[in-house]
Amino acid sequence: NAGVMQNPRHLVRRRGQEARLRCSPMKGHSHVYWYRQLPEEGLKFMVYLQKENIIDESGMPKERFSAEFPKEGPSILRIQQVVRGDSAAYFCASSLDHGEAYEQYFGPGTRLTVT
Amino acid sequence: DAKTTQPTSMDCAEGRAANLPCNHSTISGNEYVYWYRQIHSQGPQYIIHGLKNNETNEMASLIITEDRKSSTLILPHATLRDTAVYYCIVLYQGGKLIFGQGTELSVKP
Repeated sequence: NAGVMQNPRHLVRRRGQEARLRCSPMKGHSHVYWYRQLPEEGLKFMVYLQKENIIDESGMPKERFSAEFPKEGPSILRIQQVVRGDSAAYFCASSLDHGEAYEQYFGPGTRLTVT
Repeated sequence: DAKTTQPTSMDCAEGRAANLPCNHSTISGNEYVYWYRQIHSQGPQYIIHGLKNNETNEMASLIITEDRKSSTLILPHATLRDTAVYYCIVLYQGGKLIFGQGTELSVKP
């Protein structure tokens, strides 16, 4: 049973370019969460999505960042016009259902470097 | 803000039990206690979670006090590969995991 998959594992972008990060949840999971870990800092929640719906985006920066989880295919975290401060590890997690009783399983992360 | 307090770091001898404490004095009745760990820069790994009763799985045991204000994660026979940052998290706000600073566990030979 494959776990959460993320690609690419490493992504280098120049300032001003766009970054697209992909997350395929575990089989049977329809709840996806994105977290960001800045260098030497803890993980911070960004956004929670179900299929075709954004449920909670309270941790997402208001500009340049967007997320989607279409009916078919992986969840996408999109960062437009990247800046050096976007350099971080971005982790995706998925769960079978939503709520306090359902554990989230994390992927290996995408390390974004902005030059 | 995280609702938990953990020691910044701990050491444990290889082969011995590692007991990692966590205080969560403001936990409410329907909030679960979760433990994750992050080895180096890998994705966080789920370990165990519980509500009221003690829990055990193939990785660890979770002991929750009767008043639920604190808990202890027990790794029964620590190995060098258990060296990691361990996060105790009270899951609330609709399933958002709020990570604190965690405990950096060093398992030494």
